[in-house]
Amino acid sequence: EPEVTQTPSHQVTQMGQEVILRCVPISNHLYFYWYRQILGQKVEFLVSFYNNEISEKSEIFDDQFSVERPDGSNFTLKIRSTKLEDSAMYFCASSDGQGMSIQYFGAGTRLSVL
Amino acid sequence: AQSVTQLDSQVPVFEEAPVELRCNYSSSVSVYLFWYVQYPNQGLQLLLKYLSGSTLVESINGFEAEFNKSQTSFHLRKPSVHISDTAEYFCAASSGGYNKLIFGAGTRLAVHP
Repeated sequence: EPEVTQTPSHQVTQMGQEVILRCVPISNHLYFYWYRQILGQKVEFLVSFYNNEISEKSEIFDDQFSVERPDGSNFTLKIRSTKLEDSAMYFCASSDGQGMSIQYFGAGTRLSVL
Repeated sequence: AQSVTQLDSQVPVFEEAPVELRCNYSSSVSVYLFWYVQYPNQGLQLLLKYLSGSTLVESINGFEAEFNKSQTSFHLRKPSVHISDTAEYFCAASSGGYNKLIFGAGTRLAVHP
């Protein structure tokens, strides 16, 4: 069964450093998403992406964040200068966006900012 | 704006007992509803979904959920739980298409022998 894959599974970084979280969505999907889950809290929407541009973003997704689809298979989330409060599990999801589509999630990347 | 409320943060239950995990939503537009499950140290897996049609939806591992428009609920039930059902369960809503999912806070189901 096709799946969304995320790398790395765990990323440790120092405060102020840049990180790039990588995702390979399901191959025929056209809509891509990032969510995050701070430990013990609910899963929160960050951003959705379609046709090489952001279609919606949340208040969390400020100028420190950016997304990119650098080639036909990868979808990345960049955090320019990480803060302690960016520590969370980051989930990538994709959907085919047709009608009542379903979002399929990757296993997540746990980001730890020290 | 959409919101999803899961009334119980934790539900302890004995093996083979029935369980109900509650979910209520608020939305002024058509809504699609989902239950996702997160096993320890794993990602989110789709358990079941309500998109349209029959208000009772079932999963392959014995869970079911009923969409109740008048009560704006989408409670998850299982008549007899197993130890392996221990996980966090998230209810989520979407207004469809490519729109974002709004998640509830999650319910931790702990099944005891």
